[in-house]
Amino acid sequence: EPEVTQTPSHQVTQMGQEVILRCVPISNHLYFYWYRQILGQKVEFLVSFYNNEISEKSEIFDDQFSVERPDGSNFTLKIRSTKLEDSAMYFCASSEGGAQHFGDGTRLSIL
Amino acid sequence: RKEVEQDPGPFNVPEGATVAFNCTYSNSASQSFFWYRQDCRKEPKLLMSVYSSGNEDGRFTAQLNRASQYISLLIRDSKLSDSATYLCAVTFNTNAGKSTFGDGTTLTVKP
Repeated sequence: EPEVTQTPSHQVTQMGQEVILRCVPISNHLYFYWYRQILGQKVEFLVSFYNNEISEKSEIFDDQFSVERPDGSNFTLKIRSTKLEDSAMYFCASSEGGAQHFGDGTRLSIL
Repeated sequence: RKEVEQDPGPFNVPEGATVAFNCTYSNSASQSFFWYRQDCRKEPKLLMSVYSSGNEDGRFTAQLNRASQYISLLIRDSKLSDSATYLCAVTFNTNAGKSTFGDGTTLTVKP
């Protein structure tokens, strides 16, 4: 069964550093998403992406965040200057236009 | 009022029991509804979409009540392996729309 893959599985970074989280969505999917889940809390929407542009973003997705689909297969989330409160699991998801399928996440730890 | 609200749980049931979870949503224009299962520190895995007529997949039955703005998930003949957190997700747009998740309801099935 096709799946969404994410790398790295765990990223440890110093506060203030830039991080790039990578995702390979399911190949025939057209809609891409990033969510995050702080430990013990709910899954929160960050951003959706379709046709090479952002469709919607949440209040969390401020100027420190950006997304890109650089080569037609990867979908990346960049955090420019990380803060302690960015520590969370980050999930990429993709869909054909219905149910979203999630990758297994990147655990981001900011020191 | 939360956009998506779930039974607070936790639910602790013996093997073989039938258990039901409810989820209410605040936006009457919501279009699509899903149940996900999330194991500890793992990604949400799609369990089933929820259709207006109700739908069943083996031991799992999902129902939608648009008038009362709630969805439900019924698990019959619970197995130990059903122990997980069950997340309700709602989207307002059937295509690129973000999913809004509930806080989740934790189920523990005991021998």
